[in-house]
Amino acid sequence: GAVVSQHPSRVICKSGTSVKIECRSLDFQATTMFWYRQFPKQSLMLMATSNEGSKATYEQGVEKDKFLINHASLTLSTLTVTSAHPEDSSFYICSARVRTGDGYTFGSGTRLTVV
Amino acid sequence: DAKTTQPPSMDCAEGRAANLPCNHSTISGNEYVYWYRQIHSQGPQYIIHGLKNNETNEMASLIITEDRKSSTLILPHATLRDTAVYYCIVRVVGNQFYFGTGTSLTVIP
Repeated sequence: GAVVSQHPSRVICKSGTSVKIECRSLDFQATTMFWYRQFPKQSLMLMATSNEGSKATYEQGVEKDKFLINHASLTLSTLTVTSAHPEDSSFYICSARVRTGDGYTFGSGTRLTVV
Repeated sequence: DAKTTQPPSMDCAEGRAANLPCNHSTISGNEYVYWYRQIHSQGPQYIIHGLKNNETNEMASLIITEDRKSSTLILPHATLRDTAVYYCIVRVVGNQFYFGTGTSLTVIP
């Protein structure tokens, strides 16, 4: 089945630095990927839709200059949290739409801790 | 935005069937019902989806009422590994997934 690989699984960074999270579709091409954020004991919140070769579409209330998304190839989307602050600490999850069908596969998530 | 209502938590005895309800009274004719689950600190896992007919796969069964305003996910023989948060989502094919609050299922030995 379709597999989405997400790296790193955990990252700790200092306040004010930037962190890049990678999301790769391993055995299929993904023209569209999605990024979610999840705070403890809360549900997943859709942040943005990443489209290969074009600008990402951000959900209302999500700062596009803070959460930079790049989808430069059919198998890779990256989310960069710029100038991270402790309130950005969260669980970030990506999802990819399998190109030939409607199946959506989720990555295993990245636990970001900003200290 | 999420268009579903689920009970916040449920318990189920190991080996028994777990029946998880979901209300989606405003569902449109072209929206499917999807079920995913999330085990702690992992990404969501697909379980099953359907439009109006009941569906069954190796993991679960999905029962959708005739008016499509509610559905039930059935795990026929719950195990401890089925302890997770279960999300019911309605969406048009090709659109984004918006997650609701889900049901936290605890399988009790």
